[in-house]
Formats: sequence, C-alpha cells, structure tokens
Amino acid sequence: EAGVVQSPRYKIIEKKQPVAFWCNPISGHNTLYWYRQNLGQGPELLIRYENEEAVDDSQLPKDRFSAERLKGVDSTLKIQPAELGDSAVYLCASSLESVGNTEAFFGQGTRLTVV
Amino acid sequence: AQSVSQHNHHVILSEAASLELGCNYSYGGTVNLFWYVQYPGQHLQLLLKYFSGDPLVKGIKGFEAEFIKSKFSFNLRKPSVQWSDTAEYFCAVNPPYGNNRLAFGKGNQVVVIP
Repeated sequence: EAGVVQSPRYKIIEKKQPVAFWCNPISGHNTLYWYRQNLGQGPELLIRYENEEAVDDSQLPKDRFSAERLKGVDSTLKIQPAELGDSAVYLCASSLESVGNTEAFFGQGTRLTVV
Repeated sequence: AQSVSQHNHHVILSEAASLELGCNYSYGGTVNLFWYVQYPGQHLQLLLKYFSGDPLVKGIKGFEAEFIKSKFSFNLRKPSVQWSDTAEYFCAVNPPYGNNRLAFGKGNQVVVIP
C-alpha cells in the first residue's frame, strides 16, 4: 500500500514569491493534516481536514497561507507571498478516522527554503 | 500554555547501552499518547501508542513506553540500543478536547555510536 505522497521534496524560492505543496493521502483516509516543522522543533498543526471540510484551521496564518482539499482526496497548501520565516519542512499526514485514538501516517515532507 | 515536553534534546550513547527518553505533558483529562520516530532521510513513523489499558506499551524494534498518569509522563525505553536506532524521536499527545490535533514535543536527537 502506498503511503502519503508529497511533492516536491525540496523547494527553494525567493522571498515574496508564491509556492505550493501537494499531498496525496493514503487511499480511504478521510482525515488529512498539514503540519509545519521548524528546525529543532516538533511538527505543529496548520490545518486539519475531514473529507473536504477544514475542521481545524486555527493555526493557519490566513493572511498568506491557504489550503484546499477538493473532492476530499488530494490537498494543496499555498503560501503567497513567502517570507524568510516560512523556511521549514511542511508535512502532510492522513488518518482513517478523525477520532483521537487513530494513528496518523506522515509523508516525507517538503523542505522549503526561502532566500 | 499546555504543551508536551521532551528533555535532553541530544543524546549520544554506545551500542548496547540502555535508552530512556522522557516525555511529560500538561493536559488534563484522558489523553492518547504516541511516540514517533524519524530515521535519517525517512518520514515520521509510529513507534508505539497508548490509548487505554495496560500502561506499559510494547512497540516495534524492542521499544516500550510506560504511561504514568499521576506524573503526566509517557517515557520511552529500550534496554539495549543498536546503531540502527540513530534517529529523532518525538512524543505526541492527542489532548482530550483537541479534536485529534496531535501536539508534538521538540524531539530527541539520538545518536548511537557503534
């Protein structure tokens, strides 16, 4: 079974440019998460979807970040415009259900460097 | 602020040594607890989890963790480490009101010297 697939693996952009990340969750998983992991820190939740509905986006900086999960499968996370402080690893994860006792499966992440 | 704490961010030890990584959380109520591991160049993967029942949980690769409710702790242990255990280890907590929002600690970078 394929795991969570993210692309690209690496991205280098200049500040003020837009950038987008793509995630394909595990088939059948209705819950999808985007996390951001800064250097030396643990992952922090940005947004959580149940199917196509964003049910928890309180941590998403909405002035420059946006996300969508059309048809409740793939998801994209966008930053526009990017700032130097956005350099981090962006992780996508998915789980079968949205209850707390469900394991989340993570992708390999996209490492973003803003210069 | 409620949080997940992991101490001793960098741990260096020799093969066959014992490993214990501490994890403390500050959420009240019933929580679900996880340890994730990230090997070099790989994605985060689940090592073990505790939802209910026996507070001593066995995971993959010889790891175990003990939930001590009175201490708000979920420490990870392995009696004898191998070089292949070199990785970063993250404790994560699903708080009772968090609607499946996993809160992670800062992680422990463990290096095992052959």
